[in-house]
Amino acid sequence: GAGVSQSPSNKVTEKGKDVELRCDPISGHTALYWYRQSLGQGLEFLIYFQGNSAPDKSGLPSDRFSAERTGGSVSTLTIQRTQQEDSAVYLCASSLGFAGPENEQFFGPGTRLTVL
Amino acid sequence: GDSVTQMEGPVTLSEEAFLTINCTYTATGYPSLFWYVQYPGEGLQLLLKATKADDKGSNKGFEATYRKETTSFHLEKGSVQVSDSAVYFCALNSGGSNYKLTFGKGTLLTVNP
Repeated sequence: GAGVSQSPSNKVTEKGKDVELRCDPISGHTALYWYRQSLGQGLEFLIYFQGNSAPDKSGLPSDRFSAERTGGSVSTLTIQRTQQEDSAVYLCASSLGFAGPENEQFFGPGTRLTVL
Repeated sequence: GDSVTQMEGPVTLSEEAFLTINCTYTATGYPSLFWYVQYPGEGLQLLLKATKADDKGSNKGFEATYRKETTSFHLEKGSVQVSDSAVYFCALNSGGSNYKLTFGKGTLLTVNP
């Protein structure tokens, strides 16, 4: 079956512009996660959704970052007024059923964001 | 907070050599432990996992044992192949409010024929 998909695969933007990154999880997966991967920071957790709710937003690096999920499916990560330090690969993952520490998280291919 | 420390690479081996990538962790409670692999040009994928002490995860000839007493989850393979060349990430999930994976920095493995 189809895996996690993300769009766009690459995004180049100018400093100060807003960007939206999209994630389509595996059908039926109720838990969804956003991470980012950068050379300096490695893989960092950003936010987690159970259904449409995000119980803990403390992983978002600043108030320029926001995320939503609708219909228990698609999620959008929005970065406002992008800065050069936002350049990274943004990864989305999903897992089956209610989130649990033992559940495998299935990752998408990522969106490479470059802020000029 | 949770943290994962893994052996820094890069690691370069000849085909059929023995592989060990060390991983130690700090976590609250009893986390689940994972090894993820990222092949060139591909996304992260689960290689193996263990969810409680003394469990051994295994897949594709790779193994790792959850050692609570040493807080370790070292990855091993007896005979590596060129196709094993990839970046390997050790990770843990201790649940909490967000069920996040906490990753190590990754180890780049290159296997030469």
